[in-house]
Amino acid sequence: DIVMTQTPLFSPVTLGQPASISCRSSQSLVLSNGNTHLTWLQQRPGQPPRLLIYDISNRFSGVPDRFSGSGAGTDFTLRISRLEAEDVGTYYCTHVTQFPYTFGQGTKLEIK
Amino acid sequence: QVQLQESGPGLVKPSETLSLTCTLSGGSMNGYYWSWIRQPPGKGLEWIGCIYYTGSTNYNPSLKSRVTISVDTSKSQFSLELNSVTAADTAVYYCARVVPGIGPDYWGQGTLVTVSS
Repeated sequence: DIVMTQTPLFSPVTLGQPASISCRSSQSLVLSNGNTHLTWLQQRPGQPPRLLIYDISNRFSGVPDRFSGSGAGTDFTLRISRLEAEDVGTYYCTHVTQFPYTFGQGTKLEIK
Repeated sequence: QVQLQESGPGLVKPSETLSLTCTLSGGSMNGYYWSWIRQPPGKGLEWIGCIYYTGSTNYNPSLKSRVTISVDTSKSQFSLELNSVTAADTAVYYCARVVPGIGPDYWGQGTLVTVSS
């Protein structure tokens, strides 16, 4: 199984300031066709998760452009350019490269 | 608008079988994987398994011996059975649509299942 490791697990951020979350996979997520199916999810308190970013850097429908994703191979990053109050929650990286799908432990973003 | 809704008992006794159904509205099951994901209270997400609309399944190896996922496309439903449950199976259970190569794009609201006598 591919192990997904996120850092940090907890991040206090000031409103209006940037935030960054890292995700590392235990093996390369690059497929033979060159695609890398690394996905980021956001879970607001009391809500189900929501898809934010897929294929490393593609924002899903309705996701604000302050969210961006980058990376390659085994190392990936989710960035929020300016934190807003509605961004508070837990963020998970996951892959849909092969079965079984696995999730990172989650990174909890809070307002400082 | 695609919507998913989980249904089933909120309380299951230890050693018994947890059974949940997810009902899809506003879309077709064709072309997608249909997944169950759970989240123990205060903890992270765990993928349980999924079923393609054709009926082929994939399960988390850690749960494989106890899990069965089935689909009924005529009713736009898919179901989860988890047998021999223990307190460690207490969690919010989510159903989700998984787009191949993209991930889980639509989720149900989740249903809390507590394992207790």
